[in-house]
Amino acid sequence: AQSVSQHNHHVILSEAASLELGCNYSYGGTVNLFWYVQYPGQHLQLLLKYFSGDPLVKGIKGFEAEFIKSKFSFNLRKPSVQWSDTAEYFCAVPHPLFDKLIFGTGTRLQVFP
Amino acid sequence: GAVVSQHPSWVICKSGTSVKIECRSLDFQATTMFWYRQFPKQSLMLMATSNEGSKATYEQGVEKDKFLINHASLTLSTLTVTSAHPEDSSFYICSARPSPRDTQYFGPGTRLTVL
Repeated sequence: AQSVSQHNHHVILSEAASLELGCNYSYGGTVNLFWYVQYPGQHLQLLLKYFSGDPLVKGIKGFEAEFIKSKFSFNLRKPSVQWSDTAEYFCAVPHPLFDKLIFGTGTRLQVFP
Repeated sequence: GAVVSQHPSWVICKSGTSVKIECRSLDFQATTMFWYRQFPKQSLMLMATSNEGSKATYEQGVEKDKFLINHASLTLSTLTVTSAHPEDSSFYICSARPSPRDTQYFGPGTRLTVL
């Protein structure tokens, strides 16, 4: 069955530090990949997505993610975080057989000024 | 674009009563809507998938008679928690998707507290 792993549960950074959040999935076929962000008290928003083409995907607010098929990974990166990036980040992959998204457990990012 | 609203944003009810939560896609038509529960500091748990005009598909372990889902139009889906109990207290989130290949757009969630 498809599963999504986010190994970083809680990340604490200072402003201007670089960020990389891990996401690994289990299904080896054609995949679409998503990163969602949930700011405190707000709803989930799409940060970026990969469907096909260039494996390096650029999203909103300076985020990017790289799809590495051989590693079953879709890690999220940002070269310099800001206090406003404090949020919960979820990686998600569509289930290969059923019409639904499989979410990772989420990574809580706290950025201190 | 792609805005999804939920109403109410929070509700407090007595044990044994029923609560209806609405999910609307405001600026697009959604062939499919999804209902999730989110527990504190945890990920989203899919409860059910509903396609307009069809019966909802429930995830394993979700009682369809307790969580009634209606998707009567391309812009509205409702979740009714029947005979609510304190263990049903949670954050309920819906999402709407314009087409199968599109992404899901999430609503702001509804905080349900059952006393």
